[in-house]
Amino acid sequence: QQQVKQSPQSLIVQKGGISIINCAYENTAFDYFPWYQQFPGKGPALLIAIRPDVSEKKEGRFTISFNKSAKQFSLHIMDSQPGDSATYFCAAATSGGYQKVTFGTGTKLQVIP
Amino acid sequence: NAGVTQTPKFQVLKTGQSMTLQCAQDMNHEYMSWYRQDPGMGLRLIHYSVGAGITDQGEVPNGYNVSRSTTEDFPLRLLSAAPSQTSVYFCASRAPGQGFTGELFFGEGSRLTVL
Repeated sequence: QQQVKQSPQSLIVQKGGISIINCAYENTAFDYFPWYQQFPGKGPALLIAIRPDVSEKKEGRFTISFNKSAKQFSLHIMDSQPGDSATYFCAAATSGGYQKVTFGTGTKLQVIP
Repeated sequence: NAGVTQTPKFQVLKTGQSMTLQCAQDMNHEYMSWYRQDPGMGLRLIHYSVGAGITDQGEVPNGYNVSRSTTEDFPLRLLSAAPSQTSVYFCASRAPGQGFTGELFFGEGSRLTVL
């Protein structure tokens, strides 16, 4: 059972456009929601993260929107660039206990010139 | 600063063979973990360790063994490889202490093919 559901599986966006990736979770024990970016042949790396008591967090062209009541969160990439082409994973983490991180299934983003 | 180092980067095995994927980190991280990445499945937790001598199972532990004798190293052993274990394996670690924000530090992966 996938605890963090992610869509779409793949996404093609033109340069300068907005890329949007959506995620939903079920376990209310999650208390931190990071997004990871992975380039081909590399390991994932943290891109941006948000706490559930914050509705939006922006870092440069990357914005996380969080809807706690709906248990949904999304990543928006503004002014998408070819260099943003990568696989993006949403994730959910618990800060207590063994502090495990559960990942979504990933979205392969291609930004075309 | 090397971070998380995985070896080998590529490996081909025959069904039934055994092997060990190595993972080492030089950041003094207490928590280390192994994930496997498969198309459409995301990253799934195999085993994790919260410190030397302490390991536990993740989501997909069957067919894999781990041990943690030092803070730096966390090897993953495949006892009898099966084609279903064809995957890309990632080792990840995180900093100790409070205030965990979900940040893991990943190695570059080990691509394993089982024929």
